[in-house]
Amino acid sequence: GAVVSQHPSRVICKSGTSVKIECRSLDFQATTMFWYRQFPKQSLMLMATSNEGSKATYEQGVEKDKFLINHASLTLSTLTVTSAHPEDSSFYICSAQGFYGYTFGSGTRLTVV
Amino acid sequence: QKEVEQNSGPLSVPEGAIASLNCTYSDRGSQSFFWYRQYSGKSPELIMFIYSNGDKEDGRFTAQLNKASQYVSLLIRDSQPSDSATYLCAVRGTNFGNEKLTFGTGTRLTIIP
Repeated sequence: GAVVSQHPSRVICKSGTSVKIECRSLDFQATTMFWYRQFPKQSLMLMATSNEGSKATYEQGVEKDKFLINHASLTLSTLTVTSAHPEDSSFYICSAQGFYGYTFGSGTRLTVV
Repeated sequence: QKEVEQNSGPLSVPEGAIASLNCTYSDRGSQSFFWYRQYSGKSPELIMFIYSNGDKEDGRFTAQLNKASQYVSLLIRDSQPSDSATYLCAVRGTNFGNEKLTFGTGTRLTIIP
């Protein structure tokens, strides 16, 4: 089956620093990677869509300069939260689209203090 | 009008009974529909997907789709305490090249032993 590895699972950082979240498809090629954010007791909100080798497409209201997405290969995509602030604390989840459909990573709990 | 709507619950069902979860969507052209289960603090896991009108069964789960009414539901038979989770309905985008999933807010289901 399709597996997506997402790291780290939890991260605590100081306000103003940057955090990189990595998402890797282990046994398939992900043509498209989706990045979601989920606040407590809310649903998944799509932040951006990225295709390998091209710029990410951001949803309305998502700051592209703050949430940097790199999709350098068909198996790896990264999300960097730059100059993180407490309001960026959330659960970030990637989803890779491939032959098997949509496969979600295990999520990253980001806490900015 | 939200693109995908679900009753947020909580929905409480006795163990062994049938749990019925409902979802409506606004884009009449939508073709693909997904049900995910999400435990607290975890990422969503796929239960079922459905493309065609009618019923689709997989074990204790049955998805029902009515495109004319823009309605999709999930039935869980012989509910178990382990079924207690938030259930997310998702609809795939209809624009060519835009295959993002739009999620509903989720229904929190509690199975009472």
